Amino acid sequence: EDQVTQSPEALRLQEGESSSLNCSYTVSGLRGLFWYRQDPGKGPEFLFTLYSAGEEKEKERLKATLTKKESFLHITAPKPEDSATYLCAVLANSGYALNFGKGTSLLVTP
Amino acid sequence: DTAVSQTPKYLVTQMGNDKSIKCEQNLGHDTMYWYKQDSKKFLKIMFSYNNKELIINETVPNRFSPKSPDKAHLNLHINSLELGDSAVYFCASSDSSQQPQHFGDGTRLSIL
Repeated sequence: EDQVTQSPEALRLQEGESSSLNCSYTVSGLRGLFWYRQDPGKGPEFLFTLYSAGEEKEKERLKATLTKKESFLHITAPKPEDSATYLCAVLANSGYALNFGKGTSLLVTP
Repeated sequence: DTAVSQTPKYLVTQMGNDKSIKCEQNLGHDTMYWYKQDSKKFLKIMFSYNNKELIINETVPNRFSPKSPDKAHLNLHINSLELGDSAVYFCASSDSSQQPQHFGDGTRLSIL
């Protein structure tokens, strides 16, 4: 059975304090790994797609990387506006829709 | 311009009622989806639909049915609502299953 596990569940950072969020996955063939950001009362907002091990994508203070077993979302010098829940999702060869992890709730304090 | 829009944003109703949630996308995507986000914020797929194929998550009760009048719309109809149906329901769309999905802002359903 396909599984997606995100850690930590919650993370509190000081503004400027860099860190990484982890997404471990077990799937029967990976077609794609997706990172989303979700703000309270809103739908998930697409950030990145990674398709193969070794791939990296960057956007502002965020950088996503992918290995054969996990993905990391690195946050460099975060700001309070980066506070949100970050969701990881995988699309398996045998799947038709995204299989989401439970998310990491990030709080960045000034 | 909202890419994926859902109505209503909030829906409060009694147990046993029938209700519908509407979803429209103006992205020209071929595939639309419905997800359920429970109280623990866990997002789970309910349906995937394009103009050729409907795929239903086997765990979804048959009281839930998607209806698509055209390619840009996928509505969710729910019969005989139960307390456990209380959740936030999200509509999404994509070009294909391998492309990023774009989500609406959700409909918060509360059953009294």
